[in-house]
Amino acid sequence: SQELEQSPQSLIVQEGKNLTINCTSSKTLYGLYWYKQKYGEGLIFLMMLQKGGEEKSHEKITAKLDEKKQQSSLHITASQPSHAGIYLCGADGGNKLVFGAGTILRVKS
Amino acid sequence: KAGVTQTPRYLIKTRGQQVTLSCSPISGHRSVSWYQQTPGQGLQFLFEYFSETQRNKGNFPGRFSGRQFSNSRSEMNVSTLELGDSALYLCASSLLRTGGLNEQFFGPGTRLTVL
Repeated sequence: SQELEQSPQSLIVQEGKNLTINCTSSKTLYGLYWYKQKYGEGLIFLMMLQKGGEEKSHEKITAKLDEKKQQSSLHITASQPSHAGIYLCGADGGNKLVFGAGTILRVKS
Repeated sequence: KAGVTQTPRYLIKTRGQQVTLSCSPISGHRSVSWYQQTPGQGLQFLFEYFSETQRNKGNFPGRFSGRQFSNSRSEMNVSTLELGDSALYLCASSLLRTGGLNEQFFGPGTRLTVL
């Protein structure tokens, strides 16, 4: 079965700094989702990447999909306190979504 | 357009009891999936319903069951609650069946605490 590994597990950054979160799959990635979650709440959809080499941006968040490396990265530019939360990657694991363990992001003011 | 709603938001039960959680998908969405989230195991797939039929099931014991109604609303039931069932239960709705690239919209979750 497909497994997704996220790194780092947690991250503390100073406000204004850039950061990158990685998601590596145990199997070929045919597409990938990124979600954000505030503690104890539901998941907020950020982006869906469908093709190898695809890159999408929303506000200060950019995500890329590298099919060959079976990996996706999420990059946040000039982090703000509002970016704090748990970032989860998800992929189609055969008629169900499989998720990584999540990356906890804290942004220090 | 209203998002996915889940009721109740918080629930406290004791071991051995049973519980029913409800999920109302986005209007027009026919697929509802349920997930359990715990600090130790992360987000794990429970099951998916599409057009009132269970299409997929995760690796959970038979105490976990669900159903979907003709209006696509779904309920999840857990019988004979155990302490380990304490978790955030999330439901997600999508227009089509899960599989392939099909965006899932998540509800706020139901926090279940088993004492």
